[in-house]
Amino acid sequence: QSVLTQPPSASGTPGQRVTISCSGSSSNIGSSAVNWYQQFPGTAPKLLIFTNDQRPSGVPDRFSGSKSGTSASLAISGLQSDDEADYYCASWDDSLNGFYVFGTGTKVTVL
Amino acid sequence: QVQLQESGPGLVKPSETLSLTCTVSGDSLSLYYWGWIRQPPGKELEWIGYIYYTGSTYYNPSLKSRVTISVDTSKNQFSLKLISVTAADTAVYYCARGKLRYTTSGSRSHYFDPWGQGTLVTVSS
Repeated sequence: QSVLTQPPSASGTPGQRVTISCSGSSSNIGSSAVNWYQQFPGTAPKLLIFTNDQRPSGVPDRFSGSKSGTSASLAISGLQSDDEADYYCASWDDSLNGFYVFGTGTKVTVL
Repeated sequence: QVQLQESGPGLVKPSETLSLTCTVSGDSLSLYYWGWIRQPPGKELEWIGYIYYTGSTYYNPSLKSRVTISVDTSKNQFSLKLISVTAADTAVYYCARGKLRYTTSGSRSHYFDPWGQGTLVTVSS
């Protein structure tokens, strides 16, 4: 059971802005950077945002990340049908000698 | 361009050992962490653990008593062993390259990129 909580679903129409939240605690998001992964059905996750707000090469600038205190957010602006996927936040947790933890995941639907 | 490929049995009997290997091409194992992540059907991702190229290991506390991750730099491979499996260990298993960076404020940033395509392992008699 994940210690990073995300809403199960989010949706928007093409062109809209969608925001996904990721809530953690002082032992994870509060003390370590947050990363975001995008996963299409039947495929491996792909790194979307690293170190809170950095985009890997090839990721459109429609995707942006932010972090404040013990929470983080992923924003998708100019929503496209190709953005329909599952999104996971992740961070390092300093408790129990340290471990990497993924969020509960959010399914984004383009209406 | 670095690529990772998982290999191993797709079916394991309950109480037996799950063994998977990840072969890395296009990059050396040096200077990176190499990790295993799994995803039960229809569920969220779960970090299993990772190994630094020097051999240092880090495991998920919930799996630590059953997991061993090892590295073979001569073959550019790293491996996962999970003992005493049950149906709850049925999942798609991914291997991935891990990076550790530090922010300007000194916070750690761990992330995985790229990932292998994943392999489904079913635990059933």
